[in-house]
Amino acid sequence: GAGVSQSPSNKVTEKGKDVELRCDPISGHTALYWYRQRLGQGLEFLIYFQGNSAPDKSGLPSDRFSAERTGESVSTLTIQRTQQEDSAVYLCASSWRPGLGETQYFGPGTRLLVL
Amino acid sequence: AQSVTQLDSQVPVFEEAPVELRCNYSSSVSVYLFWYVQYPNQGLQLLLKYLSGSTLVKGINGFEAEFNKSQTSFHLRKPSVHISDTAEYFCAVRTLIQGAQKLVFGQGTRLTINP
Repeated sequence: GAGVSQSPSNKVTEKGKDVELRCDPISGHTALYWYRQRLGQGLEFLIYFQGNSAPDKSGLPSDRFSAERTGESVSTLTIQRTQQEDSAVYLCASSWRPGLGETQYFGPGTRLLVL
Repeated sequence: AQSVTQLDSQVPVFEEAPVELRCNYSSSVSVYLFWYVQYPNQGLQLLLKYLSGSTLVKGINGFEAEFNKSQTSFHLRKPSVHISDTAEYFCAVRTLIQGAQKLVFGQGTRLTINP
């Protein structure tokens, strides 16, 4: 079956512009995660959605970052007034249900470059 | 708060040689441990995970890892590597924090297999 998909695969933008990154999770997966991977660093948790519960936004680095999810489907991560330090690969993951032992399935990522 | 340290950022190995990728974690509570692999231009995929039970965990592609609670380690091993094992490997830990199940990742180890 189809895995997690993300679009665009690459995005180049100018400093100060807004960007939207999209994630399509695996059908039926109730949990969805966004991570950021800066060059040479590990993955950094950004936000977590589970069903209709309020999202866990504790990883968002600033109020320029926001994310939405429509039901248990598509999610959009928005970065307003982008800065050069926002350049990174943004990864989305989904899982069937939340649980400490659950496997997260990752998308290929969106590579964002802010000039 | 928990953290994960991958002691080697890069590991070059000759084909058919054994390899060990080191991972140490810090946490004051019970942990669940994961190794993910990221092949070039692909998303992360799960190699193996430790939840409970036997401390030796076997994963895909001939990899295994051993959970050592006293040393707070979860090193990844393979007795004989192949060119196709060239990838970046991430160790991750999970605990229940404030109701969310976050994965905390190490910085990654780039494994390069030389012929």
